[in-house]
Amino acid sequence: DIVMTQSPDSLTVSLGERATINCKSSQSVLYSSNNKNYLAWYQQKPGQPPKLLIYWASTRESGVPDRFSGSGSGTDFTFTISSLQAEDVAVYYCQQYYNIPRTFGQGTKVEIK
Amino acid sequence: QVQLQESGPGLVKPSQTLSLTCTVSGGSISSGSYYWSWIRQPAGKGLEWIGRIYTSGSTNYNPSLKSRVTISVDTSKNQFSMKLSSVTAADTAVYYCAGELRGQWFDPWGQGTLVTVSS
Repeated sequence: DIVMTQSPDSLTVSLGERATINCKSSQSVLYSSNNKNYLAWYQQKPGQPPKLLIYWASTRESGVPDRFSGSGSGTDFTFTISSLQAEDVAVYYCQQYYNIPRTFGQGTKVEIK
Repeated sequence: QVQLQESGPGLVKPSQTLSLTCTVSGGSISSGSYYWSWIRQPAGKGLEWIGRIYTSGSTNYNPSLKSRVTISVDTSKNQFSMKLSSVTAADTAVYYCAGELRGQWFDPWGQGTLVTVSS
């Protein structure tokens, strides 16, 4: 299994400030034949299912605000909220779809300072 | 727009079989665009992928659950289902069904259904 490890486990950020989450995979999720990273990011608010924000490590899903971004390649990835809004309080997960079984990071809880 | 809805008992006794169904609306389960997955989340914890099925009936399971899980599809009802046998309290979780677009990321998701294993 590919183990996905996120850091930190929780993050407290002031409104308008930047929030950065790291995700490391135990093996590369970069598929050499198409040069794509098989990694997605989700947002989960209490009582709701996860919501897809980013796929291919850096492609924003339609309708997702541009303050959300993803970067990285291979085994090291970063998710950034450029200017934290109150509605961004949630748990964020990375997930690899490079192989089976699909695996998620343990989640990072983002709160307002 | 494809939407998913889980259904099934909210309470299952230990050692029994947990059975859930996911109804797909807004599109055909046979469209070929999706793999259909089950994912679970114990209270306050992270997400665990259980397994998936394609419309052909081909399945993939998480090795950690493979001996206890069966996922099936009923194209006539536009539904897919999951059975998890020999449940224990550790199987208590919110269970989500999700579409895995072209076998890649998960979108859409159902709202989730809480299943409690208790006598």
